Amino acid sequence: DIQMTQSPSSLFASVGDRVTITCRASQGISNYLAWFQQKPGKAPKSLIYAASSLQSGVPSKFSGSGSGTEFTLTISSLQPEDFATYYCQQYNSYPLTFGGGTKVEIK
Amino acid sequence: QVQLVQSGAEVKKPGASVKVSCKASGYTFTSYFIHWVRQAPGQGLEWVGTINPGGGSARYAQKYQGRVTMTRDTSTSTVYMELSSLRSEDTAMFYCAREGASSSLDYWGQGTLVTVSS
Repeated sequence: DIQMTQSPSSLFASVGDRVTITCRASQGISNYLAWFQQKPGKAPKSLIYAASSLQSGVPSKFSGSGSGTEFTLTISSLQPEDFATYYCQQYNSYPLTFGGGTKVEIK
Repeated sequence: QVQLVQSGAEVKKPGASVKVSCKASGYTFTSYFIHWVRQAPGQGLEWVGTINPGGGSARYAQKYQGRVTMTRDTSTSTVYMELSSLRSEDTAMFYCAREGASSSLDYWGQGTLVTVSS
């Protein structure tokens, strides 16, 4: 199975900050990498697919990059509605696997 | 608009089975795989398996092999996930999600809480 490792597991940030989350795959997954946002009590929401493509309707403050084994999600200017937990997920091969999550909290 | 609507919360006793449904609308049901994802209380996301609504074939995570069965009803555009031999550790929220044209999980159901308790 491909292991997905996210860092940090949590971070504290202020409104307006630029935030970067890293996701590493235990083996190469090309660009078969997605990012999700989850708020308490809600289903995950798709933000990015194919490592850097924005899902329809997702604001451009979210961006993704990377290929192979190292990926990043960046939020350019954090807003109150962005405080949530973010997960990466590989879909290069079965079983699909997720990172452990990064909780973004208010400083 | 694409929608996945799941059945309501369930409470089951250890050893019992549970069957959760996921009704799809707003797109051609047989053209997109449906996946099931589990989230234990306060924990991360875990893939359970997937079903091809077109042909009915399914693929499961090794951890759930032998205990999970995914089926579909094309007449109602509904996918089902049945989990048997329930134990307290199975208590979790289960989500269905559509695998979109990009092969990523683009739309998610609202989740179904399964509680296993004696």
